Amino acid sequence: DTEVTQTPKHLVMGMTNKKSLKCEQHMGHRAMYWYKQKAKKPPELMFVYSYEKLSINESVPSRFSPECPNSSLLNLHLHALQPEDSALYLCASSQEGTDTQYFGPGTRLTVL
Amino acid sequence: RKEVEQDPGPFNVPEGATVAFNCTYSNSASQSFFWYRQDCRKEPKLLMSVYSSGNEDGRFTAQLNRASQYISLLIRDSKLSDSATYLCVVSSYNFNKFYFGSGTKLNVKP
Repeated sequence: DTEVTQTPKHLVMGMTNKKSLKCEQHMGHRAMYWYKQKAKKPPELMFVYSYEKLSINESVPSRFSPECPNSSLLNLHLHALQPEDSALYLCASSQEGTDTQYFGPGTRLTVL
Repeated sequence: RKEVEQDPGPFNVPEGATVAFNCTYSNSASQSFFWYRQDCRKEPKLLMSVYSSGNEDGRFTAQLNRASQYISLLIRDSKLSDSATYLCVVSSYNFNKFYFGSGTKLNVKP
């Protein structure tokens, strides 16, 4: 099973809202990732968790706050977002840093 | 200089054609190489890993040239369903970091 699940599939939020994106994998992978993807662009790395610890933050604004409650779950907390944050947010996992990454279906976020 | 560079295309080819994409990477310490396929408004899906010895999966063949720091993807007998964006992905051994090319768009026409 190479499945990564993400909820919700779609999210519309106002600039003053607080919401969370969720990601789950049961492949025993120890690295998990958040990416942001705008139309016609490749995925852009935001955060990497390795063994439940934040190992990479690609200078992401603090209105995005990641959390890794356990080795299977990854959350992305959103607060006071801007319209330009509208994008597809992808979660991925991999066994080790250099092994194959598997992506979830993404959450399509619209900020009004 | 970008870590990974790809020709964005689009490549417009007829059904049955053979098409090849190349991708160059800048870090000679890169360890793992992949081709992903991404359909419009969907997530990237692994097409194949790329090994030094090359690998083949049906109509798809991937090659790695470490000396010249490029990887290639060859698609034979193109199908309409091959139409997608193909992403070249490279990772380094020391970091949990994957570098994406900009993607190459393929349109297979009837």
